[in-house]
Amino acid sequence: SQQGEEDPQALSIQEGENATMNCSYKTSINNLQWYRQNSGRGLVHLILIRSNEREKHSGRLRVTLDTSKKSSSLLITASRAADTASYFCATDVGGTYKYIFGTGTRLKVLA
Amino acid sequence: GAGVSQSPSNKVTEKGKDVELRCDPISGHTALYWYRQSLGQGLEFLIYFQGNSAPDKSGLPSDRFSAERTGGSVSTLTIQRTQQEDSAVYLCASRPAGGTGANVLTFGAGSRLTVL
Repeated sequence: SQQGEEDPQALSIQEGENATMNCSYKTSINNLQWYRQNSGRGLVHLILIRSNEREKHSGRLRVTLDTSKKSSSLLITASRAADTASYFCATDVGGTYKYIFGTGTRLKVLA
Repeated sequence: GAGVSQSPSNKVTEKGKDVELRCDPISGHTALYWYRQSLGQGLEFLIYFQGNSAPDKSGLPSDRFSAERTGGSVSTLTIQRTQQEDSAVYLCASRPAGGTGANVLTFGAGSRLTVL
């Protein structure tokens, strides 16, 4: 079964707008990661946030983590058409090295 | 190798046939993962290896699915007596033992399996 659920399932925005997607998970974790997938093939790692961190930035990406609510959000600022992809969160289940992925958010950025 | 290599990239087979999917991880990566992704869906965990042993194989859907890893490197996922519901993209990922990237998975491009 999947650890995480993401919402929204799909998001369509105009270029230049910000995109926010959310992830909820079920067990305790050591870290939470976000990955991007283009065209249904391999995933690419974007950013990792540890359980003792609340916020992390990388370029146009901002990730927050609330372990009390077991939730995380990914914000992409000033979106571009090239950001069109599916985005997944992943967590280590119970602090193990078993990584479970969320259901994903399909982002479409319109030029 | 420079990246995670999976083969075949596409496989079309008839219902009831056996298939083998291969994953060649990044050299030196001790952990290896298999996931399955049906069309438009999320990733379903199948199994992961630490070295040659599999601490967690709870995601294998049935006894028709098996996986092995030899020499701490290449892994093979075998599906026996394939069914149409096995049609999906099978993704492999590897992870190093330590260092700053110890928790980051590097994915291959996947093997797309179509069972007719």
